Amino acid sequence: DAGVTQSPTHLIKTRGQQVTLRCSPKSGHDTVSWYQQALGQGPQFIFQYYEEEERQRGNFPDRFSGHQFPNYSSELNVNALLLGDSALYLCASSLGGGAGYTFGSGTRLTVV
Amino acid sequence: AQSVTQLDSQVPVFEEAPVELRCNYSSSVSVYLFWYVQYPNQGLQLLLKYLSGSTLVESINGFEAEFNKSQTSFHLRKPSVHISDTAEYFCAVSSHSGGYQKVTFGTGTKLQVIP
Repeated sequence: DAGVTQSPTHLIKTRGQQVTLRCSPKSGHDTVSWYQQALGQGPQFIFQYYEEEERQRGNFPDRFSGHQFPNYSSELNVNALLLGDSALYLCASSLGGGAGYTFGSGTRLTVV
Repeated sequence: AQSVTQLDSQVPVFEEAPVELRCNYSSSVSVYLFWYVQYPNQGLQLLLKYLSGSTLVESINGFEAEFNKSQTSFHLRKPSVHISDTAEYFCAVSSHSGGYQKVTFGTGTKLQVIP
């Protein structure tokens, strides 16, 4: 049973560029949440997708956007990258309103 | 609004000694509580969770946590730690509202087990 799969594992981008991160949820899960974890910090909630719609959003600017596909997989897009966007981006899946997430191993984004 | 406080950013402990990692939360509604563990360069793994019922919950690798509603705490304990327990531990609170959950994480506690 595959868990949550994220790609790529590492990424280096230049300031001002755009990036797309991908996530495939655990089999049977239909809800995907994205978190940003800066070095030495706890995960910060970006947004959550369910039934292909964003239904919750954290305190992140509009440069952060996302999408969920009919197969429940999801993308996180970040435009106009800033140095401060360097972080580990974590995808977590769950079943509807169920409690407890399954996390992927994350994508390490470095903005130079 | 909900929040989680992990007062200890780092906890060094000798191998085979007991350990307690503290977690306090704040929420205006009923909550679920979680502990996650993160090994270097990896994602978070669910260690244990409190949803309802018995206030003492256990993990398969010897950790336990007790939900204390009056003190709004969910401290993580292990009676005897191993080198392999060296990792960062995150406490999280989830409030269930409107058909979905909102999960907030603490800032983490790095457990360093000393041989």
